[in-house]
Amino acid sequence: DAKTTQPTSMDCAEGRAANLPCNHSTISGNEYVYWYRQIHSQGPQYIIHGLKNNETNEMASLIITEDRKSSTLILPHATLRDTAVYYCIVRGVNTNAGKSTFGDGTTLTVKP
Amino acid sequence: GAVVSQHPSWVICKSGTSVKIECRSLDFQATTMFWYRQFPKQSLMLMATSNEGSKATYEQGVEKDKFLINHASLTLSTLTVTSAHPEDSSFYICSARNRDVSGNTIYFGEGSWLTVV
Repeated sequence: DAKTTQPTSMDCAEGRAANLPCNHSTISGNEYVYWYRQIHSQGPQYIIHGLKNNETNEMASLIITEDRKSSTLILPHATLRDTAVYYCIVRGVNTNAGKSTFGDGTTLTVKP
Repeated sequence: GAVVSQHPSWVICKSGTSVKIECRSLDFQATTMFWYRQFPKQSLMLMATSNEGSKATYEQGVEKDKFLINHASLTLSTLTVTSAHPEDSSFYICSARNRDVSGNTIYFGEGSWLTVV
């Protein structure tokens, strides 16, 4: 699985959009970009995933660059409960795929 | 969304004893489940891949005789920590792959805190 690079930490004001970047320059053509977040002492929570098109769901939007070497997770109106560690993972969908290699993620702190 | 449940959420056991953690996929069948371990202020580390009906595949450095994995059905995988030691105290997390979703989305359980005293 391709390696990802994320900033260690970010702050965001409550109510504002949080934009979390991720670099995955070695991504392969059949690998998806997944985002998860982990709130303290809980298991990772699935947020969104995409292959090459931008995606949006009730939680967030995912913007993937045309060359697919980077992506941005957007939380449109961050709340205090969005404070968590956000992980960007790149993973294939072939047989036995599913092992997720977790980097250190980005610690997002939403401030009042 | 798909739900993966772990039990127990937390457990305390004595050194030398064994403890079992269950991971269930509640609304989908999971032929593959994964077990992770997370120490405080660290990221998740994959321990093993659990395949239904076959032996688990362990990551390098993980003792297969110490961390026994059984995946007897399409909705249940268990991790048994045998002869537990205090250094085995950690947050154990499982995940399951839902092949019915595009991209084979992986869902994680809530995690299980193990404290060995």
